[in-house]
Amino acid sequence: DGGITQSPKYLFRKEGQNVTLSCEQNLNHDAMYWYRQDPGQGLRLIYYSQIVNDFQKGDIAEGYSVSREKKESFPLTVTSAQKNPTAFYLCASSRGFQETQYFGPGTRLLVL
Amino acid sequence: AQSVTQLDSHVSVSEGTPVLLRCNYSSSYSPSLFWYVQHPNKGLQLLLKYTSAATLVKGINGFEAEFKKSETSFHLTKPSAHMSDAAEYFCVVSDGIKAAGNKLTFGGGTRVLVKP
Repeated sequence: DGGITQSPKYLFRKEGQNVTLSCEQNLNHDAMYWYRQDPGQGLRLIYYSQIVNDFQKGDIAEGYSVSREKKESFPLTVTSAQKNPTAFYLCASSRGFQETQYFGPGTRLLVL
Repeated sequence: AQSVTQLDSHVSVSEGTPVLLRCNYSSSYSPSLFWYVQHPNKGLQLLLKYTSAATLVKGINGFEAEFKKSETSFHLTKPSAHMSDAAEYFCVVSDGIKAAGNKLTFGGGTRVLVKP
């Protein structure tokens, strides 16, 4: 089955800790994206990558970092600098940069 | 700048009756428009998209939407609601501008409740 997988489904972060959310796709898509969703709100773009070894900041990149070393993988690290990390994180990919974005199942991050 | 307004935060319908979810947008470009559905604690699923072809767009699960440029609207409809349609729906606009990150702008969402 082709698709986008995110792991873990739930993630708990302690104060001052960095955590990494995984996003993998086997759709052979060039572009990948990370969004944050807060309760009762739409999605906001954190980072995006149009191609391997390239990525750009979105609207709310502070406190987050990404890498794109492989076409199929786009991990997101939530650093200790992100003071309000509790949210639902969604990864998406698209065949080309202007193509339709398809979403993974999400990871819910909670702070202990 | 682009923006999306979903006019109803909550919609309640009875099973078997029509569903109407309203969306207005603003964009400086010729936008692409989407409707996505999100069931609780799940990712977003694409229902349909408009990309300057036919103004009436048919999607999955019996949903359709009509693009009205003069009204800057992209309302989503379904003739007969099913219990499985209970979810949150997002209207989304994309400016398709590479330099801007092919930015998707999301509406605030409409939560649909279907009563038996």
